[in-house]
Amino acid sequence: NAGVTQTPKFRVLKTGQSMTLLCAQDMNHEYMYWYRQDPGMGLRLIHYSVGEGTTAKGEVPDGYNVSRLKKQNFLLGLESAAPSQTSVYFCASSYSGGPYEQYFGPGTRLTVT
Amino acid sequence: AQKITQTQPGMFVQEKEAVTLDCTYDTSDPSYGLFWYKQPSSGEMIFLIYQGSYDQQNATEGRYSLNFQKARKSANLVISASQLGDSAMYFCAMSPRMDSSYKLIFGSGTRLLVRP
Repeated sequence: NAGVTQTPKFRVLKTGQSMTLLCAQDMNHEYMYWYRQDPGMGLRLIHYSVGEGTTAKGEVPDGYNVSRLKKQNFLLGLESAAPSQTSVYFCASSYSGGPYEQYFGPGTRLTVT
Repeated sequence: AQKITQTQPGMFVQEKEAVTLDCTYDTSDPSYGLFWYKQPSSGEMIFLIYQGSYDQQNATEGRYSLNFQKARKSANLVISASQLGDSAMYFCAMSPRMDSSYKLIFGSGTRLLVRP
């Protein structure tokens, strides 16, 4: 099992460009999450999904969109990147909601210049 | 408001000694889960230990134990017999059960450095 994978690992964008981050999990998890981690801070939730075809906003959703067309994939889109979106992005997944740990991907380091 | 507070930005410990990393939380939800994650310099998030709010006993996982004091709203991580490989950032996190997202709310982390 690969667990949770993220593509790409690194990316540099110019202000105004768009991109999509891909998260894939092979554990048949229902719940998937996108977090961002800024220096000196813990992770903050951007968007999440409780199942295929569903998405919902988290704590810091502005400037991002998501889609979950297949159970195993969760995509995070930036339509018009801004320097404030420079961050490390983590995808995570878990079994159906409950006292279960979240399994994290390796992260994507995004720099917007 | 739901919040996790980690008041120790950085800590040192001598190899083979025990160390306690502090975590306090704030929630009005009667049911919640508490987690600790380790983030080494390579950047990945590694799950260490979990404690449910209704668990009667403190959680243990190998050299990790969670000192859960519900009345004081604290969930400190104890690492016994520290090893050089324990040098990393450590994050405390909470998942309120009333929140249907079961998201994790993270603290700002504690950087632990183990000295040989």
